[in-house]
Amino acid sequence: ETGVTQSPTHLIKTRGQQVTLRCSSQSGHNTVSWYQQALGQGPQFIFQYYREEENGRGNFPPRFSGLQFPNYSSELNVNALELDDSALYLCASSFPGTSGSGYNEQFFGPGTRLTVL
Amino acid sequence: DAKTTQPNSMESNEEEPVHLPCNHSTISGTDYIHWYRQLPSQGPEYVIHGLTSNVNNRMASLAIAEDRKSSTLILHRATLRDAAVYYCILGYNNNDMRFGAGTRLTVKP
Repeated sequence: ETGVTQSPTHLIKTRGQQVTLRCSSQSGHNTVSWYQQALGQGPQFIFQYYREEENGRGNFPPRFSGLQFPNYSSELNVNALELDDSALYLCASSFPGTSGSGYNEQFFGPGTRLTVL
Repeated sequence: DAKTTQPNSMESNEEEPVHLPCNHSTISGTDYIHWYRQLPSQGPEYVIHGLTSNVNNRMASLAIAEDRKSSTLILHRATLRDAAVYYCILGYNNNDMRFGAGTRLTVKP
């Protein structure tokens, strides 16, 4: 069973540019969540996708957007990059879905380290 | 939104039990209490979760106060591999999980 994978591992961009981060969910998982983790802080929830639809969003501006594909892999897009966007971006997948009462253990990938100069 | 309060850091000796506290005095009735940990250079991994009753699994135990305003994660015998940042998180579903800064656990040989 393949775990959650993310690409690229590291990325350096300049302010104002756009970036796309990718995530492959664990086999059989239909829900993907994205988190931003600044240095020394806990992860902050960006949004979640369930069966290709956005299913919950944290306190992030619209320039953070995402997609989920029929195979349940996902992309996080960030437009107009700012210096404060420098962080570790984590993807987490879960099964069978988001309905219910919090039973759904999330499996995290290793993250993509984004540096904005 | 309900918040959690955890000590910034704790130390333990190898092979001894560790009790990691978490205060959540404004927890709502539907919030589950989740614990995840993050080992160095890795994404977080699930440890345990509960609602009202104490819970045990192969990794740890979770003791929840009767009024649910606090909880304690118990590692029965700490190993060097347990050195990590431990997060106490509240949430009903996993699309509203609110991580704090966590507790950095150091395990001394």
